[in-house]
Amino acid sequence: GNSVTQMEGPVTLSEEAFLTINCTYTATGYPSLFWYVQYPGEGLQLLLKATKADDKGSNKGFEATYRKETTSFHLEKGSVQVSDSAVYFCALGTSYGKLTFGQGTILTVHP
Amino acid sequence: GAVVSQHPSRVICKSGTSVKIECRSLDFQATTMFWYRQFPKKSLMLMATSNEGSKATYEQGVEKDKFLINHASLTLSTLTVTSAHPEDSSFYICSASFSSLSSYEQYFGPGTRLTVT
Repeated sequence: GNSVTQMEGPVTLSEEAFLTINCTYTATGYPSLFWYVQYPGEGLQLLLKATKADDKGSNKGFEATYRKETTSFHLEKGSVQVSDSAVYFCALGTSYGKLTFGQGTILTVHP
Repeated sequence: GAVVSQHPSRVICKSGTSVKIECRSLDFQATTMFWYRQFPKKSLMLMATSNEGSKATYEQGVEKDKFLINHASLTLSTLTVTSAHPEDSSFYICSASFSSLSSYEQYFGPGTRLTVT
C-alpha cells in the first residue's frame, strides 16, 4: 500500500538557519506529492505540491523536488524565520483525491 | 478564500453518549468532504470520504455504524460518534474539496478535540 515516512521531530533551529525535512514515500502508480503546514490553532494549509517526477514545488521560500529515483520529496528552506514554526506534513495523493500523510514534523525556530 | 470551519473545537462527553461534529465550507461548494482522525504524534488517518447526497465511503477498519457521516448539502458534513468510549478520544479533522480540476486541493478545518470520560 501507499505510505509516507517523514523525519522524526521535533526540529529546533535558530532564525536564518537552513532547513531540511526529509520525506520518502512508497506508492504504486504515479502519485502527486504535497507538503502541508499546520500553524498553532489552525487547520492544515497546502504549502506546495509537485505532480510528476522532477517537478519542483515552491512557496514562501520553501521548495521540494519530486525525486522518483529516490522516492523522496524533501522540504528545504534556505533561511527560516520564527513565523515558520509549525507542524509540517508530507503527503501523497492518489486517485479520487485521497491523501496519505506522514506523521508530521514539529519545527520550532528561535530568534 | 476556501475556508472550512468545524464546530465544536473541543468537546468532552461521557462514555456511552453520542457526539456530533460539524464541518462547513464557508465560501465554496464542497462536493467532496473527508474526515480524518489524528492520534498524538501520529499522522492523519483517513476515516471516510463523503460526497454530497450519497453515502460515505469508509476506509478499511473504520466502523460505519459507530462513525456516522452525513453530507446533506454542498456546504455541510457531519460526523456523529455514537456510543462514545474513551478510546474514541482523539483529534478529528475534516477537509473539503471541489470536484472539478483538482480534487487534491483539500481545504482543512481546524479540527475538533474529542475527550470521552
